[in-house]
Amino acid sequence: DIVMTQSPDSLAVSLGERATINCKSSQSVLYNSNNQNYLAWYQQKPGQPPKLLIYWASARESGVPDRFSGSGSGTDFTLTISNLQAEDVAIYYCQQYYSTSTWTFGQGTKVEVK
Amino acid sequence: QVQLQQSGPGLVKPSQTLSLTCAISGDSVSRNRAAWNWIRQSPSRGLEWLGRTYYKSKWYYDYAVSVKSRISISPDTSRNQFSLQLNSVTPEDTAVYYCARELTGSAAFGIWGQGTMVTVSS
Repeated sequence: DIVMTQSPDSLAVSLGERATINCKSSQSVLYNSNNQNYLAWYQQKPGQPPKLLIYWASARESGVPDRFSGSGSGTDFTLTISNLQAEDVAIYYCQQYYSTSTWTFGQGTKVEVK
Repeated sequence: QVQLQQSGPGLVKPSQTLSLTCAISGDSVSRNRAAWNWIRQSPSRGLEWLGRTYYKSKWYYDYAVSVKSRISISPDTSRNQFSLQLNSVTPEDTAVYYCARELTGSAAFGIWGQGTMVTVSS
């Protein structure tokens, strides 16, 4: 299975500042035939299911604020939350969907307000 | 607007079968290219994809290797829902279980059920 490793495990950011979360895959999730990275990002708040933010590594899901952005390719990816808002406090997960029937998630990164 | 509504027991005895159902509104379980998944989350295992079913001229099923010998996912077109059965459960299967629909064309999970906490205990 492809192992997804996120860093850091947690971070505290001041309101209005930028939060950066990294995700590294144990093998490339870039599919050469269509040049797409099979990588998604989710936000999860307590008592709620995960919410899809980003897919194809950088495509923002409908309704997601543009302060959320995804970047990276191959094995290294980043989720950036610019201008952090109080409602962004949550745990964030990356997920690869490159390898059919063995989709895997990162361990999560907890974002708090400093 | 697509919604998924989960139902099923929150307590299952060891060695018995865990059964959950996910009712779909705003979409069809048999729509081509729509894939219907089960995912679970526990403190020890994190988020773990379990399996999916989808219709593309016939029904297809994909299961995670970790549960392949114990899992069954079944669509029910008459009730527009799909279900999860996990046999021979142990306390390790204690988790919050989610149903989810993939975005068309990708296996990113765009729609989720509300989650069901299932405890395996005697």
